[in-house]
Amino acid sequence: DARVTQTPRHKVTEMGQEVTMRCQPILGHNTVFWYRQTMMQGLELLAYFRNRAPLDDSGMPKDRFSAEMPDATLATLKIQPSEPRDSAVYFCASGLDRGNYFGPGTRLTVL
Amino acid sequence: SQKIEQNSEALNIQEGKTATLTCNYTNYSPAYLQWYRQDPGRGPVFLLLIRENEKEKRKERLKVTFDTTLKQSLFHITASQPADSATYLCALTSGGFKTIFGAGTRLFVKA
Repeated sequence: DARVTQTPRHKVTEMGQEVTMRCQPILGHNTVFWYRQTMMQGLELLAYFRNRAPLDDSGMPKDRFSAEMPDATLATLKIQPSEPRDSAVYFCASGLDRGNYFGPGTRLTVL
Repeated sequence: SQKIEQNSEALNIQEGKTATLTCNYTNYSPAYLQWYRQDPGRGPVFLLLIRENEKEKRKERLKVTFDTTLKQSLFHITASQPADSATYLCALTSGGFKTIFGAGTRLFVKA
């Protein structure tokens, strides 16, 4: 049963530190998304890739966030420097235009 | 700006009844619309996808309708069960594959 995997599952860090989150999409899926979820804002789209090419990252604070897909099996989301307002659950999802499959999320706490 | 509206109030229904959830959108021309289920502490789970040229889709006890003139989708769960209690999210996908989510509606099914 193919699944999207994300690491780490939980991350606690101090303000100013760099955070890297990793995602392994389902093999063969051509679209990969990064979302952030908070109680106040719900699910916000940060960035997405189509066939590994970045299509839209307008949802991300450009000065501190970056998203890459170095190969078909890995997508990364990096925050540098992190701030307390970045505390949220970050989800990766992949799909083939027939519905998207979400990973379990990375719960980030920035102190 | 693009907006997706789902009823922010929780929906409480009795077991065995049909639950109907609403998704309205503005300033958007989706290629397709999706419904997801999310349980606390977990990532969203894909349920159904309906394309812009389709009026209705069914899967077991689930039914989705899509009216592009009204800019509305209705999501029905027939013969509801307490296990159906969760948050249900509506998502719209543009022709450029960008997928954005509504805030979700919490459903409680009482035994």
